[in-house]
Amino acid sequence: EVQLVESGGGLVQPGGSLRLSCAASGFTFSSYEMNWVRQAPGKGLEWVSYISSSGSTIYYADSVKGRFTISRDNAKNSLYLQMNSLRAEDTAVYYCARVSRSDTAMVNFDYWGQGTLVTVSS
Amino acid sequence: DIQLTQSPSFLSASVGDRVTITCRASQGISSYLAWYQQKPGKAPKLLIYAASTLQSGVPSRFSGSGSGTEFTLTISSLQPEDFATYYCQQLNSYPQVTFGGGTKVEIK
Repeated sequence: EVQLVESGGGLVQPGGSLRLSCAASGFTFSSYEMNWVRQAPGKGLEWVSYISSSGSTIYYADSVKGRFTISRDNAKNSLYLQMNSLRAEDTAVYYCARVSRSDTAMVNFDYWGQGTLVTVSS
Repeated sequence: DIQLTQSPSFLSASVGDRVTITCRASQGISSYLAWYQQKPGKAPKLLIYAASTLQSGVPSRFSGSGSGTEFTLTISSLQPEDFATYYCQQLNSYPQVTFGGGTKVEIK
């Protein structure tokens, strides 16, 4: 069974840092691209960051570029998001999501973790 | 950036109703569109990808159609467990994807 379990969320002051983790199991983690997606309280979904299966290709949303760093450790089946210079507007539930490619190469986010809440407040 | 506009943002319907949600893209995205269902306090669940392909395990009352800039998600006969918020997602500019604003389906 595919499982993605996020951890590391919590309350942090503006300007502070936090590191989120996503532990993967039930599939060959090193073969899959991964993403972080966030959802502010009562709001919609916002894509945050992407990392390729090897970790060699990375993308960020403009809203987090220069402040957040995505990484992965395929030996530990884990995905990370290092968040620095946090702002109130970064308050959200953060989800990790696995990418699947169909046999016609169509992409989708087929499995999501349960999310971890990050609250940025003084 | 490609913007997605969902309509309506809220709809009230009864069990057994046929429900249609529309997602419009600011530019053509071929069939690179997915639909997700999200219940309160839960992660999004993939329903449909490639605009019209039903994800494994998803009931056949869900269907998707469209290409280019206009897409629809249809629930042929609304069931109690379908009351949730639905999001469309464009993957034409993958990996820099965007989501629609969501459509909340509530019980009439």
